[in-house]
Amino acid sequence: DAGVIQSPRHEVTEMGQEVTLRCKPISGHNSLFWYRQTMMRGLELLIYFNNNVPIDDSGMPEDRFSAKMPNASFSTLKIQPSEPRDSAVYFCASSDGTGELFFGEGSRLTVL
Amino acid sequence: AQSVAQPEDQVNVAEGNPLTVKCTYSVSGNPYLFWYVQYPNRGLQFLLKYITGDNLVKGSYGFEAEFNKSQTSFHLKKPSALVSDSALYFCAVRPLSGGYNKLIFGAGTRLAVHP
Repeated sequence: DAGVIQSPRHEVTEMGQEVTLRCKPISGHNSLFWYRQTMMRGLELLIYFNNNVPIDDSGMPEDRFSAKMPNASFSTLKIQPSEPRDSAVYFCASSDGTGELFFGEGSRLTVL
Repeated sequence: AQSVAQPEDQVNVAEGNPLTVKCTYSVSGNPYLFWYVQYPNRGLQFLLKYITGDNLVKGSYGFEAEFNKSQTSFHLKKPSALVSDSALYFCAVRPLSGGYNKLIFGAGTRLAVHP
């Protein structure tokens, strides 16, 4: 299995631009999570889905952030408009219900 | 409130010496407990987990962790540290309520193993 696949690995954009991060979970996993990692705040859970349905989005910082999971093999995290304080590494993770999360390699976002 | 505490920002140990990375938790009931490791510019990797049974859990790369219910702790240990163990380590807890696989992570502890 290829594991959780995230794209892009690196994104540099200017303030005000739209950013879309993508995630392909491990086939057969029914839960998907988006985390954000920064030096100041550590690892934060933004949102998670179970069977493609958003369960808890209380970690989404603002309305500028949105996430979708149109099917079991794809999810997006969108930031519109982006701001410099959104600069972070964004991780996607999936799980099969055993409790263990499998993480992607992350998308490093830099907003200038 | 449910939380995980890793009291040490950094742990320094000499190669060949035993290491301990501390973790305490605060959740209701008996949670699932996890340790993950993160190498530079990589995602988090699963090391080990405790669900039930023997309080000493063995995991990847020679690591083990001991669940102590009375102290609500789940410290990560290794008898002999390697320089290659240098990384960021995260403790995590999954509350049993909620029915989903949501994990609450600690702030992380940076382990530095010196030759």
